Amino acid sequence: SAVISQKPSRDICQRGTSLTIQCQVDSQVTMMFWYRQQPGQSLTLIATANQGSEATYESGFVIDKFPISRPNLTFSTLTVSNMSPEDSSIYLCSAADMGAREAFFGQGTRLTVV
Amino acid sequence: AQSVAQPEDQVNVAEGNPLTVKCTYSVSGNPYLFWYVQYPNRGLQFLLKYITGDNLVKGSYGFEAEFNKSQTSFHLKKPSALVSDSALYFCAVRDRGNYGQNFVFGPGTRLSVLP
Repeated sequence: SAVISQKPSRDICQRGTSLTIQCQVDSQVTMMFWYRQQPGQSLTLIATANQGSEATYESGFVIDKFPISRPNLTFSTLTVSNMSPEDSSIYLCSAADMGAREAFFGQGTRLTVV
Repeated sequence: AQSVAQPEDQVNVAEGNPLTVKCTYSVSGNPYLFWYVQYPNRGLQFLLKYITGDNLVKGSYGFEAEFNKSQTSFHLKKPSALVSDSALYFCAVRDRGNYGQNFVFGPGTRLSVLP
Protein backbone atom coordinates (compact mmCIF):
# COMPACT_ATOMS: atom_id res chain seq x y z
CA SER A 1 0.00 0.00 0.00
CA ALA A 2 1.04 3.59 -0.53
CA VAL A 3 1.48 6.09 2.28
CA ILE A 4 0.42 9.61 1.40
CA SER A 5 1.58 12.69 3.28
CA GLN A 6 -0.49 15.78 2.76
CA LYS A 7 0.20 19.24 4.13
CA PRO A 8 -0.89 21.49 5.58
CA SER A 9 -3.40 19.51 7.61
CA ARG A 10 -5.46 22.64 8.16
CA ASP A 11 -5.33 26.34 7.50
CA ILE A 12 -7.36 29.48 7.94
CA CYS A 13 -6.95 31.90 5.07
CA GLN A 14 -8.11 35.36 4.15
CA ARG A 15 -10.41 35.73 1.18
CA GLY A 16 -8.65 36.73 -2.00
CA THR A 17 -5.46 34.84 -1.13
CA SER A 18 -4.20 31.49 -2.44
CA LEU A 19 -3.18 28.28 -0.69
CA THR A 20 -1.03 25.50 -2.09
CA ILE A 21 -1.56 21.99 -0.75
CA GLN A 22 1.21 19.44 -1.14
CA CYS A 23 0.84 15.70 -1.56
CA GLN A 24 3.79 13.30 -1.29
CA VAL A 25 3.52 9.57 -1.95
CA ASP A 26 6.10 7.14 -0.61
CA SER A 27 6.22 5.19 -3.87
CA GLN A 28 5.75 5.83 -7.56
CA VAL A 29 2.09 5.73 -8.52
CA THR A 30 0.32 5.83 -11.83
CA MET A 31 -2.56 8.10 -10.94
CA MET A 32 -3.08 10.96 -8.50
CA PHE A 33 -6.39 12.65 -7.80
CA TRP A 34 -7.60 15.69 -5.92
CA TYR A 35 -11.01 15.67 -4.20
CA ARG A 36 -13.10 18.11 -2.25
CA GLN A 37 -15.29 17.00 0.63
CA GLN A 38 -17.70 18.88 2.80
CA PRO A 39 -17.61 17.45 6.35
CA GLY A 40 -19.76 14.34 6.55
CA GLN A 41 -20.46 14.36 2.84
CA SER A 42 -19.21 12.41 -0.14
CA LEU A 43 -16.16 13.19 -2.24
CA THR A 44 -16.24 15.38 -5.32
CA LEU A 45 -13.43 14.85 -7.80
CA ILE A 46 -11.71 18.09 -8.76
CA ALA A 47 -9.14 16.73 -11.19
CA THR A 48 -6.74 13.98 -12.11
CA ALA A 49 -3.13 15.10 -11.84
CA ASN A 50 -1.15 13.91 -14.84
CA GLN A 51 2.60 13.54 -14.64
CA GLY A 52 4.32 15.89 -17.03
CA SER A 53 1.15 17.33 -18.54
CA GLU A 54 -1.88 19.43 -17.68
CA ALA A 55 -4.35 18.05 -15.20
CA THR A 56 -7.72 16.72 -16.33
CA TYR A 57 -10.48 18.73 -14.66
CA GLU A 58 -14.00 17.64 -13.87
CA SER A 59 -17.03 19.64 -14.83
CA GLY A 60 -17.32 22.73 -12.67
CA PHE A 61 -13.61 22.99 -11.89
CA VAL A 62 -11.16 25.08 -13.90
CA ILE A 63 -7.43 25.40 -14.03
CA ASP A 64 -7.38 29.10 -13.20
CA LYS A 65 -9.11 28.43 -9.90
CA PHE A 66 -7.43 25.12 -9.04
CA PRO A 67 -4.02 24.93 -10.72
CA ILE A 68 -2.40 21.54 -10.24
CA SER A 69 1.16 20.42 -10.71
CA ARG A 70 2.61 16.93 -10.90
CA PRO A 71 6.31 17.11 -11.67
CA ASN A 72 6.99 13.42 -11.02
CA LEU A 73 5.34 10.13 -10.06
CA THR A 74 5.39 10.78 -6.31
CA PHE A 75 4.41 14.42 -5.82
CA SER A 76 1.56 16.78 -6.66
CA THR A 77 0.26 20.15 -5.55
CA LEU A 78 -3.17 21.73 -5.65
CA THR A 79 -3.54 25.49 -5.37
CA VAL A 80 -6.83 27.05 -4.37
CA SER A 81 -6.67 30.53 -5.92
CA ASN A 82 -8.41 33.77 -5.05
CA MET A 83 -10.24 32.07 -2.22
CA SER A 84 -13.73 32.89 -1.05
CA PRO A 85 -15.66 31.46 1.92
CA GLU A 86 -17.34 29.02 -0.50
CA ASP A 87 -13.96 27.31 -0.90
CA SER A 88 -14.00 26.29 2.75
CA SER A 89 -13.87 22.52 2.63
CA ILE A 90 -11.68 19.48 3.11
CA TYR A 91 -9.30 18.79 0.24
CA LEU A 92 -8.06 15.23 -0.21
CA CYS A 93 -5.19 13.88 -2.23
CA SER A 94 -5.45 10.32 -3.52
CA ALA A 95 -3.13 8.00 -5.38
CA ALA A 96 -3.79 4.77 -7.26
CA ASP A 97 -1.67 2.23 -8.99
CA MET A 98 -3.04 0.13 -11.80
CA GLY A 99 -1.60 -3.00 -10.31
CA ALA A 100 -3.16 -2.60 -6.89
CA ARG A 101 -6.45 -1.25 -8.25
CA GLU A 102 -7.42 0.53 -5.03
CA ALA A 103 -6.79 4.17 -4.19
CA PHE A 104 -5.11 5.50 -1.08
CA PHE A 105 -5.74 8.81 0.58
CA GLY A 106 -3.89 11.49 2.43
CA GLN A 107 -5.16 12.81 5.74
CA GLY A 108 -6.79 15.78 4.09
CA THR A 109 -6.45 19.53 4.38
CA ARG A 110 -9.20 21.34 6.23
CA LEU A 111 -9.42 24.81 4.73
CA THR A 112 -11.37 27.67 6.25
CA VAL A 113 -11.65 30.93 4.33
CA VAL A 114 -12.61 34.01 6.33
CA ALA B 1 -21.70 6.39 -16.59
CA GLN B 2 -20.79 4.88 -13.28
CA SER B 3 -22.78 5.49 -10.11
CA VAL B 4 -22.95 4.21 -6.57
CA ALA B 5 -25.91 4.31 -4.22
CA GLN B 6 -25.85 3.86 -0.47
CA PRO B 7 -29.52 3.87 0.42
CA GLU B 8 -29.06 4.53 4.13
CA ASP B 9 -27.65 7.80 5.41
CA GLN B 10 -27.36 6.37 8.91
CA VAL B 11 -27.14 2.87 10.36
CA ASN B 12 -27.44 2.26 14.08
CA VAL B 13 -26.51 -1.05 15.63
CA ALA B 14 -25.88 -2.30 19.15
CA GLU B 15 -22.38 -3.41 20.06
CA GLY B 16 -21.95 -7.14 19.51
CA ASN B 17 -24.71 -7.33 16.93
CA PRO B 18 -24.05 -7.95 13.23
CA LEU B 19 -23.95 -4.94 10.97
CA THR B 20 -24.68 -4.40 7.31
CA VAL B 21 -24.00 -1.27 5.26
CA LYS B 22 -25.65 -1.44 1.85
CA CYS B 23 -24.23 -0.49 -1.52
CA THR B 24 -25.54 -0.85 -5.05
CA TYR B 25 -23.69 0.19 -8.17
CA SER B 26 -24.09 0.85 -11.85
CA VAL B 27 -21.27 0.48 -14.34
CA SER B 28 -21.19 -0.19 -18.06
CA GLY B 29 -18.62 -2.95 -17.87
CA ASN B 30 -17.39 -5.21 -15.10
CA PRO B 31 -16.66 -3.45 -11.85
CA TYR B 32 -13.92 -3.13 -9.35
CA LEU B 33 -15.65 -2.45 -6.02
CA PHE B 34 -14.23 -0.95 -2.85
CA TRP B 35 -15.14 -0.02 0.68
CA TYR B 36 -13.48 2.80 2.58
CA VAL B 37 -13.91 4.08 6.12
CA GLN B 38 -13.40 7.63 7.34
CA TYR B 39 -12.91 8.53 10.97
CA PRO B 40 -13.38 12.14 12.14
CA ASN B 41 -10.75 14.53 10.83
CA ARG B 42 -9.02 11.78 8.88
CA GLY B 43 -8.65 10.74 5.27
CA LEU B 44 -10.27 7.66 3.84
CA GLN B 45 -8.86 4.28 4.81
CA PHE B 46 -9.12 1.32 2.46
CA LEU B 47 -11.07 -1.63 3.92
CA LEU B 48 -11.49 -4.16 1.14
CA LYS B 49 -11.97 -4.68 -2.55
CA TYR B 50 -13.59 -7.01 -5.05
CA ILE B 51 -11.58 -7.56 -8.18
CA THR B 52 -12.46 -11.04 -9.35
CA GLY B 53 -12.95 -14.54 -8.03
CA ASP B 54 -14.75 -15.39 -4.80
CA ASN B 55 -17.80 -13.22 -4.30
CA LEU B 56 -17.15 -12.96 -0.56
CA VAL B 57 -14.15 -10.81 0.19
CA LYS B 58 -12.58 -10.26 3.57
CA GLY B 59 -10.85 -7.09 4.62
CA SER B 60 -9.44 -5.16 7.51
CA TYR B 61 -10.82 -5.07 11.06
CA GLY B 62 -13.06 -8.12 10.55
CA PHE B 63 -15.13 -6.58 7.76
CA GLU B 64 -16.29 -8.52 4.74
CA ALA B 65 -18.40 -7.78 1.70
CA GLU B 66 -20.36 -9.88 -0.74
CA PHE B 67 -20.43 -9.14 -4.44
CA ASN B 68 -23.79 -9.97 -6.03
CA LYS B 69 -23.71 -9.42 -9.76
CA SER B 70 -27.39 -10.09 -10.38
CA GLN B 71 -28.42 -7.52 -7.78
CA THR B 72 -25.48 -5.20 -8.57
CA SER B 73 -24.77 -4.98 -4.87
CA PHE B 74 -21.70 -5.01 -2.67
CA HIS B 75 -22.92 -4.86 0.93
CA LEU B 76 -20.44 -4.46 3.76
CA LYS B 77 -20.86 -6.74 6.75
CA LYS B 78 -19.35 -7.54 10.10
CA PRO B 79 -20.51 -10.36 12.39
CA SER B 80 -20.05 -8.44 15.64
CA ALA B 81 -19.93 -4.65 15.74
CA LEU B 82 -17.61 -2.66 17.98
CA VAL B 83 -18.13 0.87 19.27
CA SER B 84 -14.85 1.75 17.53
CA ASP B 85 -16.45 0.85 14.18
CA SER B 86 -18.50 4.04 14.38
CA ALA B 87 -17.46 6.10 11.37
CA LEU B 88 -18.44 7.18 7.87
CA TYR B 89 -18.34 4.42 5.27
CA PHE B 90 -18.00 4.91 1.53
CA CYS B 91 -18.57 2.41 -1.25
CA ALA B 92 -16.75 3.06 -4.54
CA VAL B 93 -16.71 1.58 -8.03
CA ARG B 94 -14.27 1.61 -10.88
CA ASP B 95 -14.83 0.28 -14.39
CA ARG B 96 -12.57 -2.73 -14.80
CA GLY B 97 -12.26 -2.24 -18.51
CA ASN B 98 -10.99 1.30 -18.31
CA TYR B 99 -7.89 1.89 -16.22
CA GLY B 100 -8.12 5.57 -16.90
CA GLN B 101 -11.55 5.74 -15.37
CA ASN B 102 -11.87 7.52 -12.09
CA PHE B 103 -13.21 6.11 -8.90
CA VAL B 104 -16.85 6.98 -8.21
CA PHE B 105 -17.85 7.20 -4.57
CA GLY B 106 -21.23 6.74 -2.98
CA PRO B 107 -22.77 9.38 -0.72
CA GLY B 108 -21.58 7.67 2.44
CA THR B 109 -23.31 5.92 5.33
CA ARG B 110 -22.74 6.96 8.90
CA LEU B 111 -22.48 3.94 11.17
CA SER B 112 -23.15 4.37 14.87
CA VAL B 113 -22.46 1.43 17.14
CA LEU B 114 -24.14 1.90 20.47
CA PRO B 115 -22.60 0.45 23.65
